[in-house]
Amino acid sequence: KAGVTQTPRYLIKTRGQQVTLSCSPISGHRSVSWYQQTPGQGLQFLFEYFSETQRNKGNFPGRFSGRQFSNSRSEMNVSTLELGDSALYLCASSWGRDRGRRGTEAFFGQGTRLTVV
Amino acid sequence: AQTVTQSQPEMSVQEAETVTLSCTYDTSESDYYLFWYKQPPSRQMILVIRQEAYKQQNATENRFSVNFQKAAKSFSLKISDSQLGDAAMYFCAYRSPRPQGGSEKLVFGKGTKLTVNP
Repeated sequence: KAGVTQTPRYLIKTRGQQVTLSCSPISGHRSVSWYQQTPGQGLQFLFEYFSETQRNKGNFPGRFSGRQFSNSRSEMNVSTLELGDSALYLCASSWGRDRGRRGTEAFFGQGTRLTVV
Repeated sequence: AQTVTQSQPEMSVQEAETVTLSCTYDTSESDYYLFWYKQPPSRQMILVIRQEAYKQQNATENRFSVNFQKAAKSFSLKISDSQLGDAAMYFCAYRSPRPQGGSEKLVFGKGTKLTVNP
């Protein structure tokens, strides 16, 4: 089956602009989480959506927002871009509910590399 | 809040040898999940192995095994018979158990860069 698809793969934006990244989860998965990966801070949790509702949010400014559609596809938006927003943005999908006691595995996309100049 | 610490920024191993990557975590929860993820240069995070805290038996997946010490809050990854394709960044991650309506949030360590020498 198809994996997690993130588009675009690469993006270059100018300071002050806004950007929208897209994530299509694995078919049937209802949970989508977003992470920011930088050399200095590592992997940091941005937010998680489950059935179109934000279920958890990390410690990021309000310029970072997201949403999830009825088909579970998710978008994240960053407004008023800053140089420090340059990062790899990873999306992960999972069923969102425990499947038995085993718990669920999060499957990651290949990420979107955002460069802010 | 939970934290995950990987104290080895870089490690190297000879092909066919064994290497152990360290991970410690801090939590007040008694039940949780621990994971090791691999991130090759292609950037895609791949799950290597998982451990449920309520299980005392250490998880194994082919050449990969863990040493889970719950009391010490330690979760190390052992790679046996290392192969060139094992070269990557390895991340240790923690996830809380999910009561109904809970979250999928993963807390990651900073990672260990593994080099495999031929």
